[in-house]
Amino acid sequence: EAQVTQNPRYLITVTGKKLTVTCSQNMNHEYMSWYRQDPGLGLRQIYYSMNVEVTDKGDVPEGYKVSRKEKRNFPLILESPSPNQTSLYFCASRDQGTYEQYFGPGTRLTVT
Amino acid sequence: GQNIDQPTEMTATEGAIVQINCTYQTSGFNGLFWYQQHAGEAPTFLSYNVLDGLEEKGRFSSFLSRSKGYSYLLLKELQMKDSASYLCAVRVFQTGANNLFFGTGTRLTVIP
Repeated sequence: EAQVTQNPRYLITVTGKKLTVTCSQNMNHEYMSWYRQDPGLGLRQIYYSMNVEVTDKGDVPEGYKVSRKEKRNFPLILESPSPNQTSLYFCASRDQGTYEQYFGPGTRLTVT
Repeated sequence: GQNIDQPTEMTATEGAIVQINCTYQTSGFNGLFWYQQHAGEAPTFLSYNVLDGLEEKGRFSSFLSRSKGYSYLLLKELQMKDSASYLCAVRVFQTGANNLFFGTGTRLTVIP
């Protein structure tokens, strides 16, 4: 089944404790992206990647890192999480030449 | 920057028709999407318009006017399961990539 998976789905952590949210897709898509969704603000792009070893900042990259060492994986790294990074996070992917984006199920992160 | 506006909330009656509007001001416009999102779930693709006019898909239709920076999503024969948020997203070509910018979403409540 074609899908985008994220882990963990739910995470409660404390300020300053490094964490990684994994994202994996099995559709051989070149383009992958991370969004965060907050009430009243909608979905905002954090980082995106057009292919292996090619990443770029979205609208709200501060406090986040990403890597794209393999085509299927695009982890989101929070080196020192803060409470303002409490949010619902979505990973998405698509074929480079197409328009439809496939979203993962979301990761709800709470930083206390 | 990108500016995308849509109403925050709407209520409609089961069996009726509802129109959700979206206005945008962007540079590098390269298409407009509508997504449906149930609470706590991932957005799911509804429609994509890149040329002016109406695209119809079953009970859902989407319209685009590029000169006016305007789109609407039309939902016919409303069902209770259509209660969800509807996200307008503009595809923008910038720095060599197509990225999506989302409005804050319109929460639709369908009442009996």
